[in-house]
Amino acid sequence: DSGVTQTPKHLITATGQRVTLRCSPRSGDLSVYWYQQSLDQGLQFLIQYYNGEERAKGNILERFSAQQFPDLHSELNLSSLELGDSALYFCASSPRLAGAHIYNEQFFGPGTRLTVL
Amino acid sequence: TQLLEQSPQFLSIQEGENLTVYCNSSSVFSSLQWYRQEPGEGPVLLVTVVTGGEVKKLKRLTFQFGDARKDSSLHITAAQPGDTGLYLCAGYSGGYQKVTFGTGTKLQVIP
Repeated sequence: DSGVTQTPKHLITATGQRVTLRCSPRSGDLSVYWYQQSLDQGLQFLIQYYNGEERAKGNILERFSAQQFPDLHSELNLSSLELGDSALYFCASSPRLAGAHIYNEQFFGPGTRLTVL
Repeated sequence: TQLLEQSPQFLSIQEGENLTVYCNSSSVFSSLQWYRQEPGEGPVLLVTVVTGGEVKKLKRLTFQFGDARKDSSLHITAAQPGDTGLYLCAGYSGGYQKVTFGTGTKLQVIP
């Protein structure tokens, strides 16, 4: 158990709908990352937050948005869902913001499996 | 766009065999990590390498960071069924350490 929780574990919805995925980081961790993992593909970095502020952006679609709240939990909002959005969505947390000479261990949650029908 | 290519993509070996997984890029990374992911779970960190040429050993696993910090390898000696999983490398770069994950190597160790 990494200490990172994600809800829901499974989500089935229809095309065109909007869903919200929730992540609670490990106690004390300030940084949250979101990833998408499609079948037979590696992890695609979506976005990172640190202490409530967006810090890095990956290949996140405009239909997707995220935020980190004052209590440090984070939500990933996916709208106008398409079949191709079906994937595992992982949240990871780390204690601090990595800098040029500081690296971070990321602790991953169990993921949310999204199925768009 | 930075890419991390892993090879091989799939590997099925007998228990007791040795294997090497490669992680290659044309980009320089300030640090590189290896993760193992089991089905239905999130990746778990195995090691972080930060210095070009660095070699780290974790029991039967040996990790190497290339001198130019563009590539890395993972060598497993005497593989065991418990080593089965998806192995991912992850490279860090940029001021806020943007992370790029590799394409993954799916390893199956047959008893």
